Amino acid sequence: ETGVTQSPTHLIKTRGQQVTLRCSSQSGHNTVSWYQQALGQGPQFIFQYYREEENGRGNFPPRFSGLQFPNYSSELNVNALELDDSALYLCASSSGTSRVGEQFFGPGTRLTVL
Amino acid sequence: SQQGEEDPQALSIQEGENATMNCSYKTSINNLQWYRQNSGRGLVHLILIRSNEREKHSGRLRVTLDTSKKSSSLLITASRAADTASYFCATEPLLQGAQKLVFGQGTRLTINP
Repeated sequence: ETGVTQSPTHLIKTRGQQVTLRCSSQSGHNTVSWYQQALGQGPQFIFQYYREEENGRGNFPPRFSGLQFPNYSSELNVNALELDDSALYLCASSSGTSRVGEQFFGPGTRLTVL
Repeated sequence: SQQGEEDPQALSIQEGENATMNCSYKTSINNLQWYRQNSGRGLVHLILIRSNEREKHSGRLRVTLDTSKKSSSLLITASRAADTASYFCATEPLLQGAQKLVFGQGTRLTINP
């Protein structure tokens, strides 16, 4: 059974640029959630995808967008990067529908915006 | 925004001692979960306790939940150096359509050999 993987591991961008982060969910999981974790803080929910549809969104602006593919892998896109977007971005997968339950997290992508 | 507050923010104890971390939250929940994070890496699920449960055990872990006080505690018994990590509580709100976990700010636990 393959765990959750994320790419890239680290990324450095400049303000105003766009970035795409990728996540492969654990085998058998059809739900992917994305979280942003600023340094010294707990993760904050960005959005969740279930069977290729957005299934809930946190308090993040529209320049944060996502996709889920038929194989349940997912992308997080951030446009017009700001300095405050510097954070660890975590992807989590799970199986199920309306309830969250246990989440399986990937190792994260560390994004630095200069 | 963070739902939970964890107490203490940092805890340093000797190997073999017990470690207790507390979590408070604000809204009604479906369940509460505890996660561990090593050095800013991915989170590892430790234990899930449902809103109708009061106590749960898993190995050296004991979790309690008091929904009337909106609080939970995580006890790690006989701590080991490998338990050094940040520990987060996360709640699943009971709001309809809320498909998310809401995390606290975490407790940084250091186990001294």
